[in-house]
Amino acid sequence: KQEVTQIPAALSVPEGENLVLNCSFTDSAIYNLQWFRQDPGKGLTSLLLIQSSQREQTSGRLNASLDKSSGRSTLYIAASQPGDSATYLCAVTAGNKLTFGGGTRVLVKP
Amino acid sequence: GAVVSQHPSRVICKSGTSVKIECRSLDFQATTMFWYRQFPKQSLMLMATSNEGSKATYEQGVEKDKFLINHASLTLSTLTVTSAHPEDSSFYICSARGLINTGELFFGEGSRLTVL
Repeated sequence: KQEVTQIPAALSVPEGENLVLNCSFTDSAIYNLQWFRQDPGKGLTSLLLIQSSQREQTSGRLNASLDKSSGRSTLYIAASQPGDSATYLCAVTAGNKLTFGGGTRVLVKP
Repeated sequence: GAVVSQHPSRVICKSGTSVKIECRSLDFQATTMFWYRQFPKQSLMLMATSNEGSKATYEQGVEKDKFLINHASLTLSTLTVTSAHPEDSSFYICSARGLINTGELFFGEGSRLTVL
């Protein structure tokens, strides 16, 4: 059974600092890995999708890496802003099933 | 990106009544839709997977007679919480996968159900 873990569970940084969010998964036979952002009481916004054959994806200040063999992905957010405050979730797809990590709650202080 | 719409965003109902939540893919056809439940400060838990025109596949521990899922068209799936109880109060989120399967899932805005 696939298990996805995100560390840390919560993170508080001053504005301008780079954010590093970690995601690990137990079964490396994944189809892809997706990072999402969730604001309180809202749905999920897809940030980055990394196919199993890829090592990283970038979008603006966001960069996500994937090391399938070690079961790890890292989301980097450069030069954080207060608007980046949210919960970040990673999820892996294996078969037809998407398994979520517990999320990292990020607070960027002005 | 593709847009998935959920309705209603918030609903309050009395115990014993049934509530229907709709999930629509607005600008693409979704062969597969997923329904999740999220408790406060917790991650999403998959409830069921629905494929257009066939019966939904429920995850272990999810009562299919209580959570009725219908995926009658390529753009609409519905979740009906039957005979709702206060413990059914939760945040329900749907997601959809398009015909062109890149593997990416698109999520609705979620529906907050409160059962009194």
